[in-house]
Amino acid sequence: DVKVTQSSRYLVKRTGEKVFLECVQDMDHENMFWYRQDPGLGLRLIYFSYDVKMKEKGDIPEGYSVSREKKERFSLILESASTNQTSMYLCASRTYEQYFGPGTRLTVT
Amino acid sequence: GQQVMQIPQYQHVQEGEDFTTYCNSSTTLSNIQWYKQRPGGHPVFLIQLVKSGEVKKQKRLTFQFGEAKKNSSLHITATQTTDVGTYFCAGPKAGKSTFGDGTTLTVKP
Repeated sequence: DVKVTQSSRYLVKRTGEKVFLECVQDMDHENMFWYRQDPGLGLRLIYFSYDVKMKEKGDIPEGYSVSREKKERFSLILESASTNQTSMYLCASRTYEQYFGPGTRLTVT
Repeated sequence: GQQVMQIPQYQHVQEGEDFTTYCNSSTTLSNIQWYKQRPGGHPVFLIQLVKSGEVKKQKRLTFQFGEAKKNSSLHITATQTTDVGTYFCAGPKAGKSTFGDGTTLTVKP
């Protein structure tokens, strides 16, 4: 059974904090993705990676960075969290179809 | 750049009524995927369409891919309360996917 896991389901951070969101997949997929989901705005791609140490900007990369040191792990980093980064963050991995993790609901106060 | 538009944004139906969501792309797509996200859940892959004019069925769900491969639809016959959720279409773009904003379906028993 395929699985994408995310480190936290809920997270509350303060403005200015550095935030790490971790995603792990057990399917040996090369492609991994980070999205944020906000009401009425659908799924917006932040960053994606098609191989270890490779990354590409998505549609809304500002304020975020990523790290892919191992094939199974893709991390999203908020260098200095701001209130407008309060959102649901979804990780996915893919060969043919995308498998999504359960999501992390991040609140920045 | 490629855009994928989805309509309607919301649809409220009485149980037993039919439901359709439409997806339109500004460019020709090599394929289109459909996902369903239950309330509180994460998107789950439903199907992929590849051929021009393709029609696929999954029980009460019928998926179509337009002849020009620029539009697609998902039709649900005789909706049930288990059909509630948000339905997304997604088109490929340079190794990633562009998601529509989704159609959120609510079903009144």
